Amino acid sequence: ETGVTQSPTHLIKTRGQQVTLRCSSQSGHNTVSWYQQALGQGPQFIFQYYREEENGRGNFPPRFSGLQFPNYSSELNVNALELDDSALYLCASSLVVSTMNTEAFFGQGTRLTVV
Amino acid sequence: AQTVTQSQPEMSVQEAETVTLSCTYDTSENNYYLFWYKQPPSRQMILVIRQEAYKQQNATENRFSVNFQKAAKSFSLKISDSQLGDTAMYFCAFTSGTYKYIFGTGTRLKVLA
Repeated sequence: ETGVTQSPTHLIKTRGQQVTLRCSSQSGHNTVSWYQQALGQGPQFIFQYYREEENGRGNFPPRFSGLQFPNYSSELNVNALELDDSALYLCASSLVVSTMNTEAFFGQGTRLTVV
Repeated sequence: AQTVTQSQPEMSVQEAETVTLSCTYDTSENNYYLFWYKQPPSRQMILVIRQEAYKQQNATENRFSVNFQKAAKSFSLKISDSQLGDTAMYFCAFTSGTYKYIFGTGTRLKVLA
């Protein structure tokens, strides 16, 4: 167990709908990142939040958005769902101090299926 | 652009034997970190081993060790005394600091009884 929890574990949505995925970071961590992992692929970076501000974004459209709360929990929102959004969504938390990086601890993921 | 390449989609090894998983990467950065993550069917990404680029000594964690060749941009993982519980997807990952991780496409490892 890494201390990073995600909810729900599985979700089925219809094309065009909106979805919110949640992540609770490991205690003491100030940074959360979200990744999309399509079947048979490696995780792809969506965005990162540091102290409630977006700190970087991957090659994903604006309909992918996020929030980080003062307790360092986080949400990933996806609007206007498309079939290709079907994937495992992973949340990763880490402690960032100045330029020092620590390893990312991952949650167990949310499996999103868009039909 | 920074990239990570894992050229072995699948590998198998007999229990108690040794196996090496390959990873190459491309970056113009001088300071960075490399990781091997294990993803079993439970889906949780578990850190196996970490290497800081400024350290010349190869990292080891019990049965897991790496061969880090900075000039060649190569970062292979050796698993000794393979166990059935090592069966999983293995991902090589790179980060140049506090920012995103870049993952390879993974190697599916099967340990045979």
